[in-house]
Amino acid sequence: AQTVTQSQPEMSVQEAETVTLSCTYDTSESDYYLFWYKQPPSRQMILVIRQEAYKQQNATENRFSVNFQKAAKSFSLKISDSQLGDAAMYFCAYRRANQAGTALIFGKGTTLSVSS
Amino acid sequence: ETGVTQSPTHLIKTRGQQVTLRCSSQSGHNTVSWYQQALGQGPQFIFQYYREEENGRGNFPPRFSGLQFPNYSSELNVNALELDDSALYLCASSLAAETTDTQYFGPGTRLTVL
Repeated sequence: AQTVTQSQPEMSVQEAETVTLSCTYDTSESDYYLFWYKQPPSRQMILVIRQEAYKQQNATENRFSVNFQKAAKSFSLKISDSQLGDAAMYFCAYRRANQAGTALIFGKGTTLSVSS
Repeated sequence: ETGVTQSPTHLIKTRGQQVTLRCSSQSGHNTVSWYQQALGQGPQFIFQYYREEENGRGNFPPRFSGLQFPNYSSELNVNALELDDSALYLCASSLAAETTDTQYFGPGTRLTVL
C-alpha cells in the first residue's frame, strides 16, 4: 500500500524568508502524481502545486516550487518570499496514474506559521 | 466557473442517528470523491462516484454510503452515528477524462456527534 509521510508537524518562517516543507512517500508504482495542498483556517483545501512522476523537471508555481527526487521518493515544497497569507496546514498527497479517478493519499500535514 | 460547494457547513447529531451531507461538483466535472478528516489529521478516502456508480472505496464500514445524481451532485449518508464519526467531511470533484485528474475540494461539512 502507498503511504505518505510528513515528518515536520510544525514549521515557522518570517515574512520574505524561504521555507522548505518535507514529504516522503512509499510506492511500488512507477507512474503517479504528487500534490501539495494548502488548508487555511477557512478549511477549504486548495491545490498549490502538482508534479507528474514521469517529468524530471521540478514543478514551479510563482513563489512555490518542489524538489522531486524520484529515486529517494522525496517531494519537498519550497515557499519563497513567504507572506502572512501562506500560514496554513500543508498536505502532501499521492495518487496513482493511469487509472481515472483514483483516491488521493494524504500525509498528516505540516502547520506553517508566518511571522512579521 | 462554479466551484465545489457543500452543505450544511456545520451539523450536530447524537450517537445512533443518521446524517446526509451534500456536495455540488465543479461545473463540468463528473467524478466526486468523499474524504473524512479527523482533527489534526490528513483526509482519509471514503469512496468515489463516477457517472452515478461507486468507483472505489476506502476502509470505511457499509454504514457509510453515497449517491451521485445525473447532474453529478452527490450525497454522503452515514447511519448509526458513532462518536468517532465526528470530523470534517470533504467532497472533491474531478473530470475523470483529464490526464491529470486533479481533485478540487469544497469547504467541507463539520460533523459533531454527541
